[in-house]
Parts: sequence; structure tokens; C-alpha cells
Amino acid sequence: IAGITQAPTSQILAAGRRMTLRCTQDMRHNAMYWYRQDLGLGLRLIHYSNTAGTTGKGEVPDGYSVSRANTDDFPLTLASAVPSQTSVYFCASRQTVNTEAFFGQGTRLTVV
Amino acid sequence: GQNIDQPTEMTATEGAIVQINCTYQTSGFNGLFWYQQHAGEAPTFLSYNVLDGLEEKGRFSSFLSRSKGYSYLLLKELQMKDSASYLCAVRDNYGQNFVFGPGTRLSVLP
Repeated sequence: IAGITQAPTSQILAAGRRMTLRCTQDMRHNAMYWYRQDLGLGLRLIHYSNTAGTTGKGEVPDGYSVSRANTDDFPLTLASAVPSQTSVYFCASRQTVNTEAFFGQGTRLTVV
Repeated sequence: GQNIDQPTEMTATEGAIVQINCTYQTSGFNGLFWYQQHAGEAPTFLSYNVLDGLEEKGRFSSFLSRSKGYSYLLLKELQMKDSASYLCAVRDNYGQNFVFGPGTRLSVLP
């Protein structure tokens, strides 16, 4: 693994199902983020984690949960998917607040 | 509240210069980032401004005026590969959250 990796790349999900999007980084970055990107709205922050063991809510947290058991992994869970959660999801990490964020390749999720 | 504005779309000609503007109103300010995003790909970092003035990095330059809540990204000697979306992001006063603008989609024509 080099950098930040997301899985799956894309997924079609039935409404009401539970889904976990995976994110792993090998750069030992402290902070990690989950964004969703929708046409015309840009990137919106869902949840973030400043360091292992801590998480916080972003701009659009409803319907999503996260955990940060260790430095490398930051999974995003949709407990019961709804069509409005159809989006492209990006995971990102940064070493400190003064440095740039590195983004994963994204997960394209379609809820039907 | 947080508000960041960018033009939705711009078009320019190969070899030309283009300026993409970003205005922001946020709860405090601790730095502004520019990212490039090609269609279907992840955003990649271009520049970071925390003090007023111009930061130059090859063909790309970024300017910041904190008193005006304004930044621009200047792209010189445009190439076809510069066709992409350009995202402006502001770090808020707490330093933890980064608010992204809607992005500007730039099309470079031959």
C-alpha cells in the first residue's frame, strides 16, 4: 500500500442495507477525514478524526458513523442506506493542520 | 457561517493565462488551499497560502488577501491537461476543519 486506499471503488446498494466504506493510509498521518462530493455542492465534510481514538462530526454527519481504532484505518459506516446518500465518497489524511491533505481515489456509491 | 464562492465554469485557450477567483466568509481563517481534480479522480494539492501575497510554483501561482477574504489561482501557459476542476478550501479558526468551495471547472481549448 502506498498512500491512502479506499475500498470498494464502487458499489450499488439497496436502500435499508448497512454498508462500511474502508479507508487505510500508510503515511502515519494523525488526521483523517471523510467527505462526500455531489455535483454543484463540492466536497462536504462528514466526519473527521484528529488522532487515533477520537472522532468528530463535520457538516453532514447524519446517517453516518466512524471509528478510529488505530492510526491507519478510518472506516465509514452507513447504518441504513437511503437514496440521498448516493454520492462519491473521499477519504483524506494529513500529518498536521498546516500540511496538505492526501485523498483516496474515492468510492462511488449508488443507493437504489 | 461558512461560505466559499467560486465561478462554476471557465474556458480558456491553450497557451493562455487564466485566473480563478475564490472569495470566502468563514468563522476565522487559518490558511487557504487550492486543489486540482480531474474528472473521476481524487483532488491533488496545488498550493497553500496563510499570509497575504503571491506564492509561485512553476506555472501555477496563488494569491491571498485576508482583509478582502479573497484568493485567486493563476495558471500560465495553459496546457490541455490543465482541464480540470479547481477547488478552493479554507481552514477555519479552530484549525481542524477545512471548508471546500464548489469548485471551478476549467476547460482548455486548442
